[in-house]
Amino acid sequence: AQSVTQPDIHITVSEGASLELRCNYSYGATPYLFWYVQSPGQGLQLLLKYFSGDTLVQGIKGFEAEFKRSQSSFNLRKPSVHWSDAAEYFCAVGAPMYSGGGADGLTFGKGTHLIIQP
Amino acid sequence: DGGITQSPKYLFRKEGQNVTLSCEQNLNHDAMYWYRQDPGQGLRLIYYSQIVNDFQKGDIAEGYSVSREKKESFPLTVTSAQKNPTAFYLCASSKRTGDGNSPLHFGNGTRLTVT
Repeated sequence: AQSVTQPDIHITVSEGASLELRCNYSYGATPYLFWYVQSPGQGLQLLLKYFSGDTLVQGIKGFEAEFKRSQSSFNLRKPSVHWSDAAEYFCAVGAPMYSGGGADGLTFGKGTHLIIQP
Repeated sequence: DGGITQSPKYLFRKEGQNVTLSCEQNLNHDAMYWYRQDPGQGLRLIYYSQIVNDFQKGDIAEGYSVSREKKESFPLTVTSAQKNPTAFYLCASSKRTGDGNSPLHFGNGTRLTVT
């Protein structure tokens, strides 16, 4: 079965600074990878996804993520954060059920809470 | 616009009472899910449904029940048997389940408080 680790529970970044949120996964083949964002008291919104092809994927709100097979990572980046980016960010891995995927096909990390300093 | 509607946003109940959380989607998705979210624990799957009149237990189904009588609706009942029901509950849907590459679409959640 696949697993996801988000090593940072909290990250604090100054407004206008660059951001990188880490995500490491464990899976025997190339997984499907996702990043979701959750604002306080809201549901999760899909930021971007990687299925195959170009390892650098662009998402909404100016976010991008890079898949690095050698490091089993899918880190999320943004060149300049805005106060509105303060939220919880979840990395998720998808795998078909026939190869050990979860019932919903997605396994979520425990999230990284992003705090933006003025 | 298509989406998922969860109601109510906040729900308060006394211990020992069953309570039902509503989830409706107009995305024409086959699969629907219920998650529970507690601080620092990420999302935990309670139940999921791949098709009308069928549903399966997730990782933490004890004390919960669901039904899927219509494609659009997947209500969750939190029963008095659930020992720690106070949490944030999220409903989600996807075009299909089991292949790992269908993104989930989430509702805005229901915060349940049981005292």
